[in-house]
Amino acid sequence: KAGVTQTPRYLIKTRGQQVTLSCSPISGHRSVSWYQQTPGQGLQFLFEYFSETQRNKGNFPGRFSGRQFSNSRSEMNVSTLELGDSALYLCASRRLYTDTQYFGPGTRLTVL
Amino acid sequence: DQQVKQNSPSLSVQEGRISILNCDYTNSMFDYFLWYKKYPAEGPTFLISISSIKDKNEDGRFTVFLNKSAKHLSLHIVPSQPGDSAVYFCAATRNRDDKIIFGKGTRLHILP
Repeated sequence: KAGVTQTPRYLIKTRGQQVTLSCSPISGHRSVSWYQQTPGQGLQFLFEYFSETQRNKGNFPGRFSGRQFSNSRSEMNVSTLELGDSALYLCASRRLYTDTQYFGPGTRLTVL
Repeated sequence: DQQVKQNSPSLSVQEGRISILNCDYTNSMFDYFLWYKKYPAEGPTFLISISSIKDKNEDGRFTVFLNKSAKHLSLHIVPSQPGDSAVYFCAATRNRDDKIIFGKGTRLHILP
């Protein structure tokens, strides 16, 4: 069974720009979560989507948004990029009511 | 507010010995705990979990211990192998359905 895929794997943007990251979950998984990983903060939860609805949300500013499509694929958008947004963005999928999340390889975003 | 804390950023252990990774949590509502392992350039992979109704769960070389009164859990790896060198994340959730909160991670080095 194919794993979680994320595109693109690497991205370089400049301050003020916006970016959209994509995540395709494992087939049959309807929950998709997004995390930001930085060296000092570890894995920080951004949001979780299930059936096209945001179920849970972390403590990130409104510049970070997401959505989920009917095929469970999810996108994350960051507007007005700041230098501090440089990070590895990880997507994870799971069947609801289970604890095990399966992570994708991540998108490495660099903001210059 | 760090609800899941991994106070040791790194740990070095001799090959063949026991590795003990520690994790503390502050939210008494957490009732499910997980450990993930992460290699560079890859997403985290699920290792082992434990419910709050148990105090120990074992899977091969990996054992997780939970001390609810101390709000502390630990991951034991015996014997430690070179392939165990990675970053280990402790995570917690409630009702197996809420958002999963991760610690900052502990980098484990297995020494030859």
